[in-house]
Amino acid sequence: SQTIHQWPATLVQPVGSPLSLECTVEGTSNPNLYWYRQAAGRGLQLLFYSVGIGQISSEVPQNLSASRPQDRQFILSSKKLLLSDSGFYLCAQGGGSGGVFTDEKLFFGSGTQLSVL
Amino acid sequence: SQQGEEDPQALSIQEGENATMNCSYKTSINNLQWYRQNSGRGLVHLILIRSNEREKHSGRLRVTLDTSKKSSSLLITASRAADTASYFCATDVNSWGKLQFGAGTQVVVTP
Repeated sequence: SQTIHQWPATLVQPVGSPLSLECTVEGTSNPNLYWYRQAAGRGLQLLFYSVGIGQISSEVPQNLSASRPQDRQFILSSKKLLLSDSGFYLCAQGGGSGGVFTDEKLFFGSGTQLSVL
Repeated sequence: SQQGEEDPQALSIQEGENATMNCSYKTSINNLQWYRQNSGRGLVHLILIRSNEREKHSGRLRVTLDTSKKSSSLLITASRAADTASYFCATDVNSWGKLQFGAGTQVVVTP
């Protein structure tokens, strides 16, 4: 089974400060990875996905960026946080690897609650 | 915009009762999935139903899919206090793992 590590669990940041959230996964090589954001009381919005090192696809225009410097590491960043960046950020791994999907379900990390004040 | 819309938004029942929640979506799908989220935690996959399936069971869970109506339902039978959580439907349109989630149904089961 997949193990997904996310940290920190909670984060309070002032407006205009930078952000770096890290996600690392165990197990599968070249996993398909995703960043989702959940606003309070809402569903999840897909932000980025990656099928390999250096390969990032953005789903919505926003103040955030993502990088994949290593096979099992996925980082979400911002240079200057906005109030609207507050939310619950979830990293997920899909079955299969390298853009090939052998199992369509997603496995999620425990999330980071970000509050921008 | 969200692909899936759950109904009701909130549901309160007593232990032993059944809980039913519905999901409607807008476009054709490859599969529809249900996830559970305990407060402040990540989502856990419960069940997946493919577009060519009409009903699926997993333990106390029963999922139906009506592609003509673009809707699905999740039934939890003989609910327990531990079933208290938010439940989300998610649709997979192109099998790239880019799931589209609804806003969820918050279920509270009281002992």
